[in-house]
Order: sequence, then C-alpha cells, then structure tokens
Amino acid sequence: RKEVEQDPGPFNVPEGATVAFNCTYSNSASQSFFWYRQDCRKEPKLLMSVYSSGNEDGRFTAQLNRASQYISLLIRDSKLSDSATYLCVVTLLKFNAGNNRKLIWGLGTSLAVNP
Amino acid sequence: NAGVTQTPKFRVLKTGQSMTLLCAQDMNHEYMYWYRQDPGMGLRLIHYSVGEGTTAKGEVPDGYNVSRLKKQNFLLGLESAAPSQTSVYFCASRGTGSNQPQHFGDGTRLSIL
Repeated sequence: RKEVEQDPGPFNVPEGATVAFNCTYSNSASQSFFWYRQDCRKEPKLLMSVYSSGNEDGRFTAQLNRASQYISLLIRDSKLSDSATYLCVVTLLKFNAGNNRKLIWGLGTSLAVNP
Repeated sequence: NAGVTQTPKFRVLKTGQSMTLLCAQDMNHEYMYWYRQDPGMGLRLIHYSVGEGTTAKGEVPDGYNVSRLKKQNFLLGLESAAPSQTSVYFCASRGTGSNQPQHFGDGTRLSIL
C-alpha cells in the first residue's frame, strides 16, 4: 500500500457543484496534514492545513479522520478557477538523530470545473 | 514578499554539461528542499537540508549534489547532465514545527538534450 494515496480523477463537475476528495495515509503515526493546489505548469500552493477538529476556509472544508486514516477536502459552489490538481501532504516524524519530519506527497487529484 | 525564489526559470543543457540551480528564501526557514516533478510521478524529493551547513539525501539523489552554505540559500548541482534529468525542479522551504507547511518557488524547467 502506498504511504499516501489519492484518486487521480479527473473529476469533471459543473460550475456550482459540490465536490469532495479523499486522501488516505498508511502510517497511523502521521502528525500533520495539508492540502495544496497545483495549476498546470505552476508550483504547488498551500490551500489549507487540516486540523483534528476539521476546518473551513470560505467554500473549502477540510476534515481529518484518524480512525480510518484519511483526510478529505470539500469544495462547495465550484468555480471555474477551482480547476487544478489537489495534492495532499502528510507529515511523519522520523526518529533518527535529527528527529526530522518526513513529508509524504500524494500524486494529486485532478479537478475540472466546467461552465 | 519574495518568499522562495528560484533561478534560472528555464534552461536547456547538452548531455554532459554541468549547472547549478539556485534557491533563495527570505523567511528565515530552517528547512529547505529540492524536488523534481515528472508527469505521472508526482513530487519526488532529491535532497533536503535541516539547517545551514547540513544536507541529506531524499528519494532520488543520484546525479545531484547540494550545498547549504548560507541559511537562505540551497543550491542544486548537476555535475554531468543526462536526458533523464529533464524535469521541472521545485525548491521549497519550511519553518520548524510539525504544523508548518512548505512554501514553493515557481520552478525551474530544465531540458537536457
């Protein structure tokens, strides 16, 4: 099983629709979680962090389900400008001499919002 | 509001040539990263650094070297470029703490002929 898995899509939805993506992770010791969006040929940009209690930012809602080991992203009232690839990132603490954190990236879910 | 700056933005090299990609951040971040992104492969970590003077290997370090002589700069070197290194390269930096996200530069598109 991959450490972080996402449905690659593409998800094709009409403007105004509500769409949700999930991202599953394999390591129960994962510490922190993020959603990024990436436009074609551009750099990934932070969309939102994912908090244990769930969090909302305008039309976007992120949830964490530790029991089932997945995070979700809900987009309400989709806009054409929401068309992008959505990447999830999971942070894991590496117990080595440096106690560094390992960031594990999903391959992304492609969303196309159509007029 | 520069954030993370990568230079150059585009480059074409011939096989066997060498070059250095520069990443600079003005956020006083400890951690810096170099990724490559290829179609269908997602982001793959090449090397990273947890502080000035330190570097470590990521998933795909072969054919690359890095240096972090100053906290704000992280250099990625290709000693002898190969066509397999044609890719888009992203640099990122992050503050300390588990809840700190990565901030990315806008990428370097590198083609090796």
